[in-house]
Amino acid sequence: ETGVTQSPTHLIKTRGQQVTLRCSSQSGHNTVSWYQQALGQGPQFIFQYYREEENGRGNFPPRFSGLQFPNYSSELNVNALELDDSALYLCASSLGRFGTDTQYFGPGTRLTVL
Amino acid sequence: DQQVKQNSPSLSVQEGRISILNCDYTNSMFDYFLWYKKYPAEGPTFLISISSIKDKNEDGRFTVFLNKSAKHLSLHIVPSQPGDSAVYFCAPYTSGTYKYIFGTGTRLKVLA
Repeated sequence: ETGVTQSPTHLIKTRGQQVTLRCSSQSGHNTVSWYQQALGQGPQFIFQYYREEENGRGNFPPRFSGLQFPNYSSELNVNALELDDSALYLCASSLGRFGTDTQYFGPGTRLTVL
Repeated sequence: DQQVKQNSPSLSVQEGRISILNCDYTNSMFDYFLWYKKYPAEGPTFLISISSIKDKNEDGRFTVFLNKSAKHLSLHIVPSQPGDSAVYFCAPYTSGTYKYIFGTGTRLKVLA
């Protein structure tokens, strides 16, 4: 059983650009959640996808969007990047879509917006 | 809107002694509480959890205590080991929902 992987590891973008971050979930895990972790803060929930549909969303604007694919991969897209988007982005996969299902986190993608 | 607070950003403990990490919350709807551990350059990993119907859960060296009336939980590590040095997050949530609210984390350093 492989773990959760994310790509790229690091990324530098400029304000106004668009970015796509990728995640590969554990095989068989139907749920993927994305989190933003700013420096010195805990992870903040962005949204969750369950079987390719958005299952819930945190307090993030629509320029944060996602996709989940049948092959257990997923994407986080951020449009019109702002300086405050600089953070570590974590994805987490789980079998089910509720908190009782253990989430397995990837190592994250460090995004820097200049 | 800080529903979850870990008021100690850092903690240093001697190897073999007890580490106590604290977490306070305000949302009375939380009924399940998790602790995650995070090493540098790795994602958080699940450590231990407790349901609101219990006041204590133990797993080896790790014990979590829940005081619902005080809206407070704590993680005890006994004995502490250098490999326990990491950032610890509490993450409560409400049953039937899908999102955790993570605390700000406490960086534990266990000194050999």
